[in-house]
Amino acid sequence: NAGVMQNPRHLVRRRGQEARLRCSPMKGHSHVYWYRQLPEEGLKFMVYLQKENIIDESGMPKERFSAEFPKEGPSILRIQQVVRGDSAAYFCASSTPEVNYGYTFGSGTRLTVV
Amino acid sequence: QKEVEQDPGPLSVPEGAIVSLNCTYSNSAFQYFMWYRQYSRKGPELLMYTYSSGNKEDGRFTAQVDKSSKYISLFIRDSQPSDSATYLCAFLGFQKLVFGTGTRLLVSP
Repeated sequence: NAGVMQNPRHLVRRRGQEARLRCSPMKGHSHVYWYRQLPEEGLKFMVYLQKENIIDESGMPKERFSAEFPKEGPSILRIQQVVRGDSAAYFCASSTPEVNYGYTFGSGTRLTVV
Repeated sequence: QKEVEQDPGPLSVPEGAIVSLNCTYSNSAFQYFMWYRQYSRKGPELLMYTYSSGNKEDGRFTAQVDKSSKYISLFIRDSQPSDSATYLCAFLGFQKLVFGTGTRLLVSP
């Protein structure tokens, strides 16, 4: 069991470019969550998805950010027209429907906007 | 008032010490309580979870929950240098986890 796989591990983008972050959940996990971690800050919830459905996107910025979890393939977090303030570590987590047992996190994608 | 309060530290202790990490929370809807450990530049890993007031023990780790005071603790006995990491409390409410900011722990040999 490979765990939650995120790629790329590091991503450098110039201001105005697009960033695409990918996440493959653990085998048997149908729920995916994206969190952002800024330096010296905790993990902030962004979005919760199930296959082909966005369940809760209350933590997503209203503009430039979108997420999907298609029927086939990984979940994608997309950031359009990146700005320096988007530089952060983005973590994906997955769980079974019995989420009370907690999430399993990936190793994260560190986005740097230059 | 913040939904979760956690002292950021750093907390420095010598090897072998007992460590106490704490969080307070304000949301009565939180039903499950967890502790995650995060090493530098890694993803958080689940250490312990519980849903009721009282203590839960796993090896050198003990999680304690006091729902009436909205206070949770993690105790680490016989701390080791390998325990040096950031410890995050987490609370499950409405199908998503809410995290504290994390306490950085440094255990010196």
